[in-house]
Amino acid sequence: NAGVTQTPKFRVLKTGQSMTLLCAQDMNHEYMYWYRQDPGMGLRLIHYSVGEGTTAKGEVPDGYNVSRLKKQNFLLGLESAAPSQTSVYFCASSYGDSRSYGYTFGSGTRLTVV
Amino acid sequence: GDSVTQMEGPVTLSEEAFLTINCTYTATGYPSLFWYVQYPGEGLQLLLKATKADDKGSNKGFEATYRKETTSFHLEKGSVQVSDSAVYFCALSEKGGSYIPTFGRGTSLIVHP
Repeated sequence: NAGVTQTPKFRVLKTGQSMTLLCAQDMNHEYMYWYRQDPGMGLRLIHYSVGEGTTAKGEVPDGYNVSRLKKQNFLLGLESAAPSQTSVYFCASSYGDSRSYGYTFGSGTRLTVV
Repeated sequence: GDSVTQMEGPVTLSEEAFLTINCTYTATGYPSLFWYVQYPGEGLQLLLKATKADDKGSNKGFEATYRKETTSFHLEKGSVQVSDSAVYFCALSEKGGSYIPTFGRGTSLIVHP
């Protein structure tokens, strides 16, 4: 089983450039999430989706947009990249009730904005 | 709101030593509790979970018991190996509109041969 697949794995952007990170899951999970991980900050939720066609803001949504046009895919967009968005980005997915099953995470995208 | 507090790291141990990583939580309801592990360069993996009081989650020699009276979910292992070196995250998930979990900040474990 592939689980949660993130592309790309690494990317270097110049300030002001845009890009899209793709997350794909093959487990028929309803919920999908985007997190960023920074040293000393743990995981911070950017946006999440509770089903196809729905999105919602998390803890740190500014500067990011998301779309969930298909149940298996969750896209994270950076409209105009800034050095403060240098981070490791993780996608995760879960069944509707993550209390019983927890999350499945992707392996991450390391983004550097110069 | 919900919160998870973990002991700060890094925790440095010799191989075969006993491990405890403390985790306490604050929740308004009756959450499920989790430990995740992140190996270098990888994403988080679910290590173990417990869904009700006094439940013991276990996996790969790691154990944690859901203690409602002390609001704790401490991670333990009797004999650590070098391969256990990783960052460990405690998390809770509570029933609500979106089941968004709350993560601790993570505790780095370094095991020396």
